[in-house]
Amino acid sequence: DAMVIQNPRYQVTQFGKPVTLSCSQTLNHNVMYWYQQKSSQAPKLLFHYYDKDFNNEADTPDNFQSRRPNTSFCFLDIRSPGLGDAAMYLCATSRVRTGAETQYFGPGTRLLVL
Amino acid sequence: GQNIDQPTEMTATEGAIVQINCTYQTSGFNGLFWYQQHAGEAPTFLSYNVLDGLEEKGRFSSFLSRSKGYSYLLLKELQMKDSASYLCAVSDSNYQLIWGAGTKLIIKP
Repeated sequence: DAMVIQNPRYQVTQFGKPVTLSCSQTLNHNVMYWYQQKSSQAPKLLFHYYDKDFNNEADTPDNFQSRRPNTSFCFLDIRSPGLGDAAMYLCATSRVRTGAETQYFGPGTRLLVL
Repeated sequence: GQNIDQPTEMTATEGAIVQINCTYQTSGFNGLFWYQQHAGEAPTFLSYNVLDGLEEKGRFSSFLSRSKGYSYLLLKELQMKDSASYLCAVSDSNYQLIWGAGTKLIIKP
């Protein structure tokens, strides 16, 4: 089945220790997104890639970086995690970026910062 | 600014009908989505509306009024597995999804 996969499902890191979250997709979609979602809050878009074109949201902290080495994979790097970065990180994909395009989400990675 | 409003929490009884409302103010409109999100899991797509009116899909229906900036999700014959958060999201003029915080639906036997 075509899907969006995220690893790991749970990640524990220490304050200030770099961490990388990964996402892969078998849908062959052009667009990949990273969202941060805290409890009972709306998902917050951090950035997205349209093919190789990187688009950073204006309010995404510099502490967050992303890489997309090929169509299938996308990584979220948090250079120096703080306690406030503990959240669920959701990867999503869409075929293109138009109004009618559904975004398909992976299961998420829950990040805990100690 | 852009804003999506939906109730924080609703409670309903198994077998009943519930309507979850969503109002929005966005810069541009390219459609409205409803997603279901179970606790600790990722959102899953339920429906998409871009024209006014009602879209029915099994037990779930979604309604849109663009002139009023209003949508609702109607869930019929509620089942315990419908206990989840329901998120409303609007695609704006830049095709960015503006998300509501979600409505937590609690189903009681």
